[in-house]
Amino acid sequence: NAGVTQTPKFQVLKTGQSMTLQCAQDMNHNSMYWYRQDPGMGLRLIYYSASEGTTDKGEVPNGYNVSRLNKREFSLRLESAAPSQTSVYFCASSGRDRGYSYTFGSGTRLTVV
Amino acid sequence: AQSVTQLDSQVPVFEEAPVELRCNYSSSVSVYLFWYVQYPNQGLQLLLKYLSGSTLVKGINGFEAEFNKSQTSFHLRKPSVHISDTAEYFCAVSDRAGNTGKLIFGQGTTLQVKP
Repeated sequence: NAGVTQTPKFQVLKTGQSMTLQCAQDMNHNSMYWYRQDPGMGLRLIYYSASEGTTDKGEVPNGYNVSRLNKREFSLRLESAAPSQTSVYFCASSGRDRGYSYTFGSGTRLTVV
Repeated sequence: AQSVTQLDSQVPVFEEAPVELRCNYSSSVSVYLFWYVQYPNQGLQLLLKYLSGSTLVKGINGFEAEFNKSQTSFHLRKPSVHISDTAEYFCAVSDRAGNTGKLIFGQGTTLQVKP
């Protein structure tokens, strides 16, 4: 089934550890996004990639880096995890085929202890 | 810069009653508007969207929303809710003129449908 695939689904990190969240889409979308979801705060944009080869900061980029590896893949890296990065992370993609609406992955629940 | 305010954090309602979830936005440019739904422990899925044309937009599962440009609102309505509509609902806005497609989300409204 066409869609957005995120891995892993769950992760527990110790403070200071690093990890990369993977995201891949098979809908040939140009744009991809990373959001974090925290209770009462909705979804906040971390980074986005409007097209292959470009990335830009969103509302809350501090402590994160991204890589748009190719048109399909957009990864999010935490270099030195902090408890404040405990959250649910969602990857999404968008394109004209869906009227610019997002297709979301199923999310990664990250806990930093 | 754009922003979205969902006026109610929680809306309790009895089954088969009507419901309205309120959303106001702020933007200096023309916008696209969206409502997404998130069922427990799942990702978000699109309910409906307003891109242009008729200001009354119909979506999945019997939901509809009305774009009101003068009041900068995009309220979501359903005439009769079911237990299965219990979920969190997010309103979102994007800049029509921009080519990034990035969405700004509201804080979310939890709809609790009681039997």
